Amino acid sequence: EAGVVQSPRYKIIEKKQPVAFWCNPISGHNTLYWYLQNLGQGPELLIRYENEEAVDDSQLPKDRFSAERLKGVDSTLKIQPAELGDSAVYLCASSLGAERGEAFFGQGTRLTVV
Amino acid sequence: GIQVEQSPPDLILQEGANSTLRCNFSDSVNNLQWFHQNPWGQLINLFYIPSGTKQNGRLSATTVATERYSLLYISSSQTTDSGVYFCADGAYEGNYQLIWGAGTKLIIKP
Repeated sequence: EAGVVQSPRYKIIEKKQPVAFWCNPISGHNTLYWYLQNLGQGPELLIRYENEEAVDDSQLPKDRFSAERLKGVDSTLKIQPAELGDSAVYLCASSLGAERGEAFFGQGTRLTVV
Repeated sequence: GIQVEQSPPDLILQEGANSTLRCNFSDSVNNLQWFHQNPWGQLINLFYIPSGTKQNGRLSATTVATERYSLLYISSSQTTDSGVYFCADGAYEGNYQLIWGAGTKLIIKP
């Protein structure tokens, strides 16, 4: 069974440029999460989807970040425009349901904004 | 809000040693997971253990939900065990989400 797939693995962009990350969750997993992880810290939730609905986006900086999961399967996270402080690892995870069982993580996208 | 405390924050051991990592929770345990984040940043699931004891090779974990803590045991450490170990539990902080500890950074020396 394939795990959570993310792309790209690495991205270097100049500040003020846009960037997008893609995630394909484990088949059958209704819940999809996007997390941000800074060096030396635990992951921080950005947004959680139940199928195609964003049920928790309270920690998503909506002035520059956006996300979508149009068909309730794969998802895209976008930053426009990127700032230097956005440099971090962006992790996608999925689970059968928010309160059911394990969450599984992709390999992450390491973003560097210069 | 709910607090998850991990200890110790750092641990340096020689190859072959055993170790115990601890996770304390300020509220009830719901969907506790242990993860290993390897040096390449990948979060690898170790255990899903809301209660009881599980073993997988050299690793085992025990969660005592009534006392709000969980332990991760690593026996006969190998250099590939190096990395950061996180525990996380599901809880409602406004909405349902995983609440993470700060991690234990483990270095295994050859």
